[in-house]
Amino acid sequence: DAKTTQPTSMDCAEGRAANLPCNHSTISGNEYVYWYRQIHSQGPQYIIHGLKNNETNEMASLIITEDRKSSTLILPHATLRDTAVYYCIVREGVTGGGNKLTFGTGTQLKVEL
Amino acid sequence: DVKVTQSSRYLVKRTGEKVFLECVQDMDHENMFWYRQDPGLGLRLIYFSYDVKMKEKGDIPEGYSVSREKKERFSLILESASTNQTSMYLCASTRGGRETQYFGPGTRLLVL
Repeated sequence: DAKTTQPTSMDCAEGRAANLPCNHSTISGNEYVYWYRQIHSQGPQYIIHGLKNNETNEMASLIITEDRKSSTLILPHATLRDTAVYYCIVREGVTGGGNKLTFGTGTQLKVEL
Repeated sequence: DVKVTQSSRYLVKRTGEKVFLECVQDMDHENMFWYRQDPGLGLRLIYFSYDVKMKEKGDIPEGYSVSREKKERFSLILESASTNQTSMYLCASTRGGRETQYFGPGTRLLVL
């Protein structure tokens, strides 16, 4: 799986958009970009994923650059409950056990009043 | 909504005890995983199972075993707990292939 680089930490004011960047310059053509988050002492929570088109769901938007070497997760109106570590993962899914997830250190997002 | 549940949120055991951690998913997923998460080491795969009674070793299987007698249930067993197995244990499931992995809430195990 391709390696990702994320900032260690970010701050965001409540109600504002949180834009979390991720670099994945070695991504290959069949690798997806996944985002998870982990609130303190809880299991990771799936947020969104994409291959090359931008994606949006009820939680967030994912913007992938045309060359696919980087992406941005956007939380449009951050709340205090969005404070968590956000993980960007690129992976190629295969049948069976090859689809394990590898989490890096992620970005600690702190949403403040 | 996919639901993955784990038998305990917090567990305290003594060195040498046999420990069972259970995971249940309600979405008929084929694949199930056990990870442990430690500060600075990220998520590490212990074992996974892609079908009933099938299991494969992950990256750090030593000291652990697993059981999958029913599709919805995947158990992690610490045959003789040791202090270096103090960790957060996370179970996940997925339908397979490129499908999203869904995690349980985690079990924080302390071995004294």
